[in-house]
Amino acid sequence: QSVLTQAPSASGTPGQRVTISCSGSSSNIGSYDVYWFQQLPKMAPKLLIYRNNQRPSGVPDRISGSKSGTSASLAISGLRSEDEADYYCAAQDGSLSAWVFGGGTKLTVL
Amino acid sequence: EVQLVESGGGLVQPGGSLRLSCAASGFSFSSHWMSWIRQAPGKGLEWVANIKKDGSEKYYVDSVRGRFTISRDNTKNSLDLQMNSLRPEDTAVYYCVREMDSWGQGILVTVSS
Repeated sequence: QSVLTQAPSASGTPGQRVTISCSGSSSNIGSYDVYWFQQLPKMAPKLLIYRNNQRPSGVPDRISGSKSGTSASLAISGLRSEDEADYYCAAQDGSLSAWVFGGGTKLTVL
Repeated sequence: EVQLVESGGGLVQPGGSLRLSCAASGFSFSSHWMSWIRQAPGKGLEWVANIKKDGSEKYYVDSVRGRFTISRDNTKNSLDLQMNSLRPEDTAVYYCVREMDSWGQGILVTVSS
């Protein structure tokens, strides 16, 4: 049981816009920045979004992040086949003195 | 270019010990918090431990506290994870991570008899 809650799966067709949600509590998302990671099959995770909505260099602007209260979202527009991957959210948790992750969302491009 | 290279993984019996190491290069190692994050086969990501830039603060997930010890040597740009009293549920790929923005390729630890 993960501290942050994500839907296990999501899907979309090429060109569509897909949103992946991450729900937490006041001790994590409500108090700290949210990070998003993409994990392609058999690869190490890659940082997509940091500090809720900031993109590292090299991440395209069709990928965006947002946060409101104790929830956060990752949006991918202009969906491509190469976006098919697992996506994880993460945040620090003040009550646990730890970093916590969501269970991950498997994105399928139909 | 940031590089993080893990080593020391392998097969170990339950109750045994293993020491993971991470060699860092391409950045100022002493200026960054470092973490170990693991992923059990077919499962999601789990943060294991992290250590402050100068090594003065260390934090652990409850399931490993008292069994695992994170340490760093800023003169050698290296990060370690000493794992004792290993359990089958510790089986995972372990990643060395800089400030959540850069990840190593991971190293497999298998705990099995």
